[in-house]
Amino acid sequence: EVQLVESGGGLVEPGGSLRLSCAASGFAFNTYSMSWVRQAPGRGLEWVSSTTNIGDVTYYADAVKGRFTFSRDNSKNTLYLQMNSLRVEDTAIYYCQRLINGFFDYWGQGALVVVSS
Amino acid sequence: EIVLTQSPGTLSVSPGERVTLSCRASQTVDNRYLAWYQQKPGQAPRLLIHATSNRATGLPDRFSARGSGTDFSLTISRLEPEDFAVYYCQQYGNSPRYSFGQGTNVEIK
Repeated sequence: EVQLVESGGGLVEPGGSLRLSCAASGFAFNTYSMSWVRQAPGRGLEWVSSTTNIGDVTYYADAVKGRFTFSRDNSKNTLYLQMNSLRVEDTAIYYCQRLINGFFDYWGQGALVVVSS
Repeated sequence: EIVLTQSPGTLSVSPGERVTLSCRASQTVDNRYLAWYQQKPGQAPRLLIHATSNRATGLPDRFSARGSGTDFSLTISRLEPEDFAVYYCQQYGNSPRYSFGQGTNVEIK
């Protein structure tokens, strides 16, 4: 069974940093591209970042480029989203997904990030 | 930049009814790269459809989807109680790499 479990969410002040993790199991992790999508409270879905199966190429949404870094450790079957210079508008539930052929076939349950003073 | 516009924003329907949700793109979307998701309150989104019309594993056949170019749709032939949710379309392209529509809320009338 494919499982994706996010962790690391919490409350942080504007300008602060947070690192999310996503632990994957139940599939050959190192053969899949992976992604992060976020959802602000009461809002729709917004793609954040995606990376290839070995993490050699990573793409970012304009809203997070230069502030967020997406990495993966295939030896630990884990994704990381390092979020720096956080803004109030980054407040959201952050979901990790398995990515295949341009769509997201499995999603984690999400990690809530609240940016507030 | 490809923008996906879903309509209507909210659909109020009764169980057993047939509904069709629309997703219109500002530019042509490759049929291979149009997907639909369902999200219930407090839950993560769930993949329903990929490549415009291919049902995800285990999805009941009351769900169907079609489209091409800039116009895509998702139809639920007979609404079951568990189908009341928010539905999102999503495309994969170049700018931005991935984008979602704003969602259609299918609510109980």
